Amino acid sequence: GENVEQHPSTLSVQEGDSAVIKCTYSDSASNYFPWYKQELGKGPQLIIDIRSNVGEKKDQRIAVTLNKTAKHFSLHITETQPEDSAVYFCAADSNDYKLSFGAGTTVTVRA
Amino acid sequence: DVKVTQSSRYLVKRTGEKVFLECVQDMDHENMFWYRQDPGLGLRLIYFSYDVKMKEKGDIPEGYSVSREKKERFSLILESASTNQTSMYLCASRTTSIQTQYFGPGTRLLVL
Repeated sequence: GENVEQHPSTLSVQEGDSAVIKCTYSDSASNYFPWYKQELGKGPQLIIDIRSNVGEKKDQRIAVTLNKTAKHFSLHITETQPEDSAVYFCAADSNDYKLSFGAGTTVTVRA
Repeated sequence: DVKVTQSSRYLVKRTGEKVFLECVQDMDHENMFWYRQDPGLGLRLIYFSYDVKMKEKGDIPEGYSVSREKKERFSLILESASTNQTSMYLCASRTTSIQTQYFGPGTRLLVL
C-alpha cells in the first residue's frame, strides 16, 4: 500500500516568515495530493490540493509543489500569521478511494 | 458547503461496552469513510463505504464494524470497547467522481 512520510513533525516560525512542510510517497500510481489543516478541536479542513498532471499550484499565501519523479510534494506558506498555527497533514490518493496520510506537522507562528 | 456531522463530540465508555458512532453528510456523497487519529500516527482508515449497504475494510478494521443503510449515514460500531480504542474518530465523505474528502468535527472517545 501507499506510505506517506511527512517532515518536520513540528515547526516554529516567526510571524511574517515562510513555512515549508515536505512529504514523500511510495506508490507511483498516486495521482492526487491534498493538504489539510486541523485546528484545535476541529476536523481537518482541505486548504489546497494538486493533481499529478500539475507541478505547482498557488492560492494566495499557500502553494504546493509536486515532483513526480522524486515522489515528493511540499506545502509552502508565505507571510505566516498567528492564525496559520495548526496541525497540517499531507495525503496521497492512488485512485482507489483511499487517502494515505502523513503523520502531521504542528506549526506554531510566534508573534 | 459540504456538511459532515458526527453524533457526539465527546464520549466516555467502559471496557466491554458496545459503542455506536454516527456520521451524517448532506451532500449526497456516495463514498463515506471512518478514520481514527492518534498523535504521531496521522489518520488511519478503519472502514469505508462505496455506496449504500457496501463496505470495505481499511488498514485497521480489527475490533470495528460499520453499517450503511442510508446514503447519508455511516455508522461505526465498536463491538466490545477496549482501552486501546481510546482515540479521536473522524468521518469523511466524497463523491465518486471527485477525490476530495470532507471531514466532520470528530468524536473524541475515551474508554475506561
